[in-house]
Amino acid sequence: GQSLEQPSEVTAVEGAIVQINCTYQTSGFYGLSWYQQHDGGAPTFLSYNALDGLEETGRFSSFLSRSDSYGYLLLQELQMKDSASYFCAVRDRADSWGKFQFGAGTQVVVTP
Amino acid sequence: DAGVIQSPRHEVTEMGQEVTLRCKPISGHDYLFWYRQTMMRGLELLIYFNNNVPIDDSGMPEDRFSAKMPNASFSTLKIQPSEPRDSAVYFCASSLAGGTGANVLTFGAGSRLTVL
Repeated sequence: GQSLEQPSEVTAVEGAIVQINCTYQTSGFYGLSWYQQHDGGAPTFLSYNALDGLEETGRFSSFLSRSDSYGYLLLQELQMKDSASYFCAVRDRADSWGKFQFGAGTQVVVTP
Repeated sequence: DAGVIQSPRHEVTEMGQEVTLRCKPISGHDYLFWYRQTMMRGLELLIYFNNNVPIDDSGMPEDRFSAKMPNASFSTLKIQPSEPRDSAVYFCASSLAGGTGANVLTFGAGSRLTVL
């Protein structure tokens, strides 16, 4: 089966940098995604990594190491609006194409 | 595009009643997913469809749950009879099948179900 591990909570001050790690175990692997969810809202897509390396999108970056079954989401120049839950998700190639499984989520708390 | 549209946004019902949740995916999307989110179990994939055909329903908790997609623009998730442990937020999501869009799930706003 699949399992994804990520920290349950991270607290940081405005302007700081936060790294959320995600390790995964899957029978196959196709890519790692990150989603953001504010309280009471829906998950929204942030990034996707299929290949090793760093993908940068504004203040957010995502990294993948397939050999280590590991990835992270980097949040820079933290703002209060970044307080949310962040989920990593994997697409398991051994399963059907469309199947995404989500981690338990990391609650990021940004303080003034 | 209006995005993925779900209804109702909130539903409060009594144990034993039938519940039907509805979803309209983004036009042109090939995949439709139903997820359930609770504090205890996180985001669970219940079932997903490709071109209106159910591909994997291994996440459906039991026979009380059923899902249909009669056409490309509409899907339902039905719970009959409902139980208090079914209380959760149910999300519908859709995606394309190919290209970079295949890697992006677009979620609806969710249907918050409370079973008393």
